[in-house]
Amino acid sequence: ETGVTQSPTHLIKTRGQQVTLRCSSQSGHNTVSWYQQALGQGPQFIFQYYREEENGRGNFPPRFSGLQFPNYSSELNVNALELDDSALYLCASSPGLAGSSYEQYFGPGTRLTVT
Amino acid sequence: KQEVTQIPAALSVPEGENLVLNCSFTDSAIYNLQWFRQDPGKGLTSLLLIQSSQREQTSGRLNASLDKSSGRSTLYIAASQPGDSATYLCAVRTVWETSGSRLTFGEGTQLTVNP
Repeated sequence: ETGVTQSPTHLIKTRGQQVTLRCSSQSGHNTVSWYQQALGQGPQFIFQYYREEENGRGNFPPRFSGLQFPNYSSELNVNALELDDSALYLCASSPGLAGSSYEQYFGPGTRLTVT
Repeated sequence: KQEVTQIPAALSVPEGENLVLNCSFTDSAIYNLQWFRQDPGKGLTSLLLIQSSQREQTSGRLNASLDKSSGRSTLYIAASQPGDSATYLCAVRTVWETSGSRLTFGEGTQLTVNP
C-alpha cells in the first residue's frame, strides 16, 4: 500500500465527452504527477504539479489539464475525448521539492475506455 | 530527450532459474532509477529505487545495479517463481523544464515463469 488512492477504478465514456479523474496523495506530499499508459506500453508523463501549480508538462495537448488542492488531492481533466485516450491513468506523489530525488508513490490507476 | 530501452521485451523461463532484465537510458543526468512490477490490468508496484550516487540495491531475491556513466541498469531475480510472472518496468527520474522532474519509462519486459 502506497497511501495513494485514485477514483474511479474504471470509467467508460463516449468520444467528445469530458472526464475528471481524481487522486488522493499521502499527507505531506507536495508533488503529484500524472501518467498515461496505453495497452502494452510504458507510462507516459502528462504533467506535474507542485504546491498547486503546474511545473512540467509532457507531450500532451491542452485538452489535458489538471488541478492540485491544498488537501493533497488532485484532478486530471480531459476534454473532447478521443478513442486514443483509452488507457490506464496513473497518479504518483512524492514529498519534498518537485525537482528532488524522492521516490514517487503510485496509485492503482483509473482505467478509461472511450467508445 | 531521455529514452529508456528494456531488453528483452519478453522472457519465458522455467521455475528456479536466475534471470537478468536489462535497462538502458540515453541521458546520464538522472536523480534516480526505479524498477516496478505490473500485474495485468493493475497499477505499478515499486520494487527497488537506486539513487544516482548508489551502485546497487537489494530486496529479498531482487538485486538491481546502476552504472550511470554507461546508462545501464540490471534487475537480477534469483530462484524465480511462478508468482514472479508480471511485466517489469524500468524508469529514470530526470530534471524536466525549470524545476520539475519526471519519470521516463521503458516499455517493459514481460516475464513468464513456468512451473
